[in-house]
Amino acid sequence: DTGVSQNPRHKITKRGQNVTFRCDPISEHNRLYWYRQTLGQGPEFLTYFQNEAQLEKSRLLSDRFSAERPKGSFSTLEIQRTEQGDSAMYLCATRQGGTEAFFGQGTRLTVV
Amino acid sequence: GESVGLHLPTLSVQEGDNSIINCAYSNSASDYFIWYKQESGKGPQFIIDIRSNMDKRQGQRVTVLLNKTVKHLSLQIAATQPGDSAVYFCAENAGNMLTFGGGTRLMVKP
Repeated sequence: DTGVSQNPRHKITKRGQNVTFRCDPISEHNRLYWYRQTLGQGPEFLTYFQNEAQLEKSRLLSDRFSAERPKGSFSTLEIQRTEQGDSAMYLCATRQGGTEAFFGQGTRLTVV
Repeated sequence: GESVGLHLPTLSVQEGDNSIINCAYSNSASDYFIWYKQESGKGPQFIIDIRSNMDKRQGQRVTVLLNKTVKHLSLQIAATQPGDSAVYFCAENAGNMLTFGGGTRLMVKP
């Protein structure tokens, strides 16, 4: 257990529904990242927060995706109007400054 | 659980042998590098890191080598054990961004 908690672990949803995932970081970590991982690939960057500020967002990220980190602690990632291509593992990672990033166990999303 | 890395390059080694996993990175501005291990159905787990002002760093049974001239990173695992079977990813850090390369699947034969 790295100390980074993600919920839910698994989510099955029907196409067109909205889903929201949560990440609780290690408490003193000011940087939080969301990644997406599909089978056979490395984690793909989605977005990055430093404290409550969203500082980076992938240009490949659809506007159906939105993330928040309202108080600089936990973060949520919402996907609106899900599509089958959104099926993936969604990973959260946190770090303090420029140190190693610790990952949660991920949320496995299946869109049917 | 779901398998990770079904279509990744695979390195197959005999238990007890040494393993070497290679990674080419792309950004010459990257100043920090991390190796992660990912088991099926789990998130990546930190193994070892190295800063760009170093060319070698050793941990317990693992060594990371960095060659900035050719933008190459390697992970050496000594006396490979069945528990080392997993997918291994390298990550490069430039500024605030941590970017992952494609992984390598390590299979350890008993």
